Amino acid sequence: NAGVTQTPKFRVLKTGQSMTLLCAQDMNHEYMYWYRQDPGMGLRLIHYSVGEGTTAKGEVPDGYNVSRLKKQNFLLGLESAAPSQTSVYFCATNRTPGGYNEQFFGPGTRLTVL
Amino acid sequence: DQQVKQNSPSLSVQEGRISILNCDYTNSMFDYFLWYKKYPAEGPTFLISISSIKDKNEDGRFTVFLNKSAKHLSLHIVPSQPGDSAVYFCAASTTGTASKLTFGTGTRLQVTL
Repeated sequence: NAGVTQTPKFRVLKTGQSMTLLCAQDMNHEYMYWYRQDPGMGLRLIHYSVGEGTTAKGEVPDGYNVSRLKKQNFLLGLESAAPSQTSVYFCATNRTPGGYNEQFFGPGTRLTVL
Repeated sequence: DQQVKQNSPSLSVQEGRISILNCDYTNSMFDYFLWYKKYPAEGPTFLISISSIKDKNEDGRFTVFLNKSAKHLSLHIVPSQPGDSAVYFCAASTTGTASKLTFGTGTRLQVTL
């Protein structure tokens, strides 16, 4: 089992370009999350999904869109990249609630916007 | 507004000694707390957690203490090992919020020989 995988691992964009980050999980988890990590800021939630076909905004959603067409995939889109979106992006998953469960993280995508 | 705070950006401890990492929170609705460990170029990995109905949870060398009245939790690592050198994030969650986590800013632990 691969767990949580992220594609790509690294990417450099120019301001105004668009791209999609892919998160895939083989753990059959219902909940999926996108975070960004910036120096001195910890991890901040961008968007999340509580199941296939659902999405919701997190703490810092502006400039990003997401889709969860399949249970195992959660896509994060940047329509017009800005230098402020230079960050490391992490995807995470969680089992269906019914108890307290930890989130499982992917290895991250390092994005630089010039 | 930072609801989860880790006021020490870094900590250096000798091998074999105790490491104590601290975390404070402001939201009294938080009822589940977790610690994550992160190595460079990797995603965070879950370390240990504690529910608000407890004040202590132990797992091997790792113990988390929760003081609800002070809104403070701490992670104790005894004995510290060089492989424990990493960034540690404290996180908090509230029942009924889709298990969303609010993270602290992290503490970089260096365990020296």
